[in-house]
Amino acid sequence: RKEVEQDPGPFNVPEGATVAFNCTYSNSASQSFFWYRQDCRKEPKLLMSVYSSGNEDGRFTAQLNRASQYISLLIRDSKLSDSATYLCVVWSAGQKVTFGTGTKLQVIP
Amino acid sequence: EAQVTQNPRYLITVTGKKLTVTCSQNMNHEYMSWYRQDPGLGLRQIYYSMNVEVTDKGDVPEGYKVSRKEKRNFPLILESPSPNQTSLYFCASSLQRQNYGYTFGSGTRLTVV
Repeated sequence: RKEVEQDPGPFNVPEGATVAFNCTYSNSASQSFFWYRQDCRKEPKLLMSVYSSGNEDGRFTAQLNRASQYISLLIRDSKLSDSATYLCVVWSAGQKVTFGTGTKLQVIP
Repeated sequence: EAQVTQNPRYLITVTGKKLTVTCSQNMNHEYMSWYRQDPGLGLRQIYYSMNVEVTDKGDVPEGYKVSRKEKRNFPLILESPSPNQTSLYFCASSLQRQNYGYTFGSGTRLTVV
């Protein structure tokens, strides 16, 4: 089993739609969780941290479910500019950082 | 501007010719790391450093070397590059606190022929 798993997609959604991605992780001792956004051939950029209590930043909401070992990202009112690959990242003890392979989102006019 | 600077952005080289990819950050971050990104495999960690003179292997260290003589710089060295090291490379840095997340450099696209 991979340490961090994501559905590669692509998720093709119309503008204005709500879309959700999940990411599962295998190490129950994982400590910190993040979502990154990566545009084609560019560097990943931090989108948001993920906390047990959940956190929201505008149209984006991230959740952590430690019992089931997954994190989620919800995007409301999708924009064309949201088209990108979304990477989940898990930090574990000893500074081990594992990236998921990413979920590709394509927002269609 | 707070940033991680990698050079060069693009590099084509021949098998066996030693090369260095430089990485520098101006945020006083303790933690620095190198990743390679390949289609279908995602980002894989090559080496990381938690502070000056402290480096550790990541998941795919074979064929690479690093050094951390100063806090701001973390060069990646390929002593004898091979075609299977053709990839997109990213340097990243972070404060030591895990909740902070990474800042990435713009990437180096390396082709070894």
